[in-house]
Amino acid sequence: GDSVTQMEGPVTLSEEAFLTINCTYTATGYPSLFWYVQYPGEGLQLLLKATKADDKGSNKGFEATYRKETTSFHLEKGSVQVSDSAVYFCALSDKQGAQKLVFGQGTRLTINP
Amino acid sequence: DAGVTQSPTHLIKTRGQQVTLRCSPKSGHDTVSWYQQALGQGPQFIFQYYEEEERQRGNFPDRFSGHQFPNYSSELNVNALLLGDSALYLCASSQTGVVAKNIQYFGAGTRLSVL
Repeated sequence: GDSVTQMEGPVTLSEEAFLTINCTYTATGYPSLFWYVQYPGEGLQLLLKATKADDKGSNKGFEATYRKETTSFHLEKGSVQVSDSAVYFCALSDKQGAQKLVFGQGTRLTINP
Repeated sequence: DAGVTQSPTHLIKTRGQQVTLRCSPKSGHDTVSWYQQALGQGPQFIFQYYEEEERQRGNFPDRFSGHQFPNYSSELNVNALLLGDSALYLCASSQTGVVAKNIQYFGAGTRLSVL
């Protein structure tokens, strides 16, 4: 079945550092790919998405590019802030039927001032 | 515009009891999905409701059941609770039929503790 694998956490960085969180997937067909963020005590918020190969999703300084050849969707940000501290989830959904989301295990990010 | 709302926020039950969780979707959304998020894990898909029918189901036992009402709100029922059912239960709503808008928006969740 479909699956998503994220880099192991937790990740701790200093403010203004460069961020990469790796995500790879296994799926039949051509899924849509997502990054969701979960702040403490809250539900998941959609951060960005890409629906086809070579698409780049971007939001709030975060970017991720849909790489079909490497089945990857790595999250990047050039300069992180303390407010970016949260848990980040990579997810996929197929484009047919119910389009359920399949999530990775999450990566906890802590940014120190 | 209200987002996805879930109630209650927290719930404590004992083994063997039954529980009902509720979800109101975002305005304009007609589809509700439920997920279970165990501590330190990613959410796992339980099932999805559309037009008051269960459209797809994940790998969860029949103790987990649901319902969708004509106003698109939904309930998740869990019978014969086990300690392992302790988790954050997330509801997500979306709009079926418009591919570009078929993005799932999540509520804050219900934290269920089974003692």
